[in-house]
Amino acid sequence: KNEVEQSPQNLTAQEGEFITINCSYSVGISALHWLQQHPGGGIVSLFMLSSGKKKHGRLIATINIQEKHSSLHITASHPRDSAVYICAVGGGSGGTSYGKLTFGQGTILTVHP
Amino acid sequence: DTAVSQTPKYLVTQMGNDKSIKCEQNLGHDTMYWYKQDSKKFLKIMFSYNNKELIINETVPNRFSPKSPDKAHLNLHINSLELGDSAVYFCASSLDRYSGNTIYFGEGSWLTVV
Repeated sequence: KNEVEQSPQNLTAQEGEFITINCSYSVGISALHWLQQHPGGGIVSLFMLSSGKKKHGRLIATINIQEKHSSLHITASHPRDSAVYICAVGGGSGGTSYGKLTFGQGTILTVHP
Repeated sequence: DTAVSQTPKYLVTQMGNDKSIKCEQNLGHDTMYWYKQDSKKFLKIMFSYNNKELIINETVPNRFSPKSPDKAHLNLHINSLELGDSAVYFCASSLDRYSGNTIYFGEGSWLTVV
C-alpha cells in the first residue's frame, strides 16, 4: 500500500460539474502539495497546504491533519481542466524524510464539453 | 524566461550508452531535485541537492550520478543505459529543503532506451 493514496484514479465529468479529488496519507507530514500535469507533460504546483483551506480561482484545496486527508475541488469545471492531478506529501522536520516529497499515483481528469 | 530548464527534452539512445541530462534554475533557489516518472505516471524522487550538497539519495542504481557544479545547476549522468531506464525525468527546485516550499518543475526529459 502506498503511503499516499488518491481517489478516484480516473474521473470523467461534463463541463460545469463540481469535481472532488481525494488524497489520504499514512505518514507524518510537514506539508501537502497539489500538482497539475497537462497532457504536454509539464508539472505545475497548484497549492501547498499545512492546515485549513486555500482557494485560487475555481480551485479549492482543504486538508484535515487529524484525519490525514486532503481534497481538491474544482468548481464549474471546464475542458481545459483536463489533466492529471497529483497529491504529494512532504516529510516532517528532521530525519531522513525531511525535504522529501512522496507522491500519490495521480488522478486523470477528463472534462467533456 | 524559463525558471527551471532542462535539456534535452527528448532523448532516444541505445542500450549500453552513457547520457546526461542538464538542468538549470534561475530562481536563486538553494535546493534542486531529480524525479523519475514511470510509464504509469508515478513520480518518485531520485536525488536532492541543497547548496551543492547531496541531501537525498534514494535507492537508485549506481549508474545514475548527479552532479551539482553550483547551486543553480544539477545535472544527471546515466551510465550503461538499460531498457528499464526509459522514463520521463523531471528536474525541480525550491527555495530551500523545507517540504512546505513551492516546487518548480522543469518541462521534463523523455528518455527512451532502445
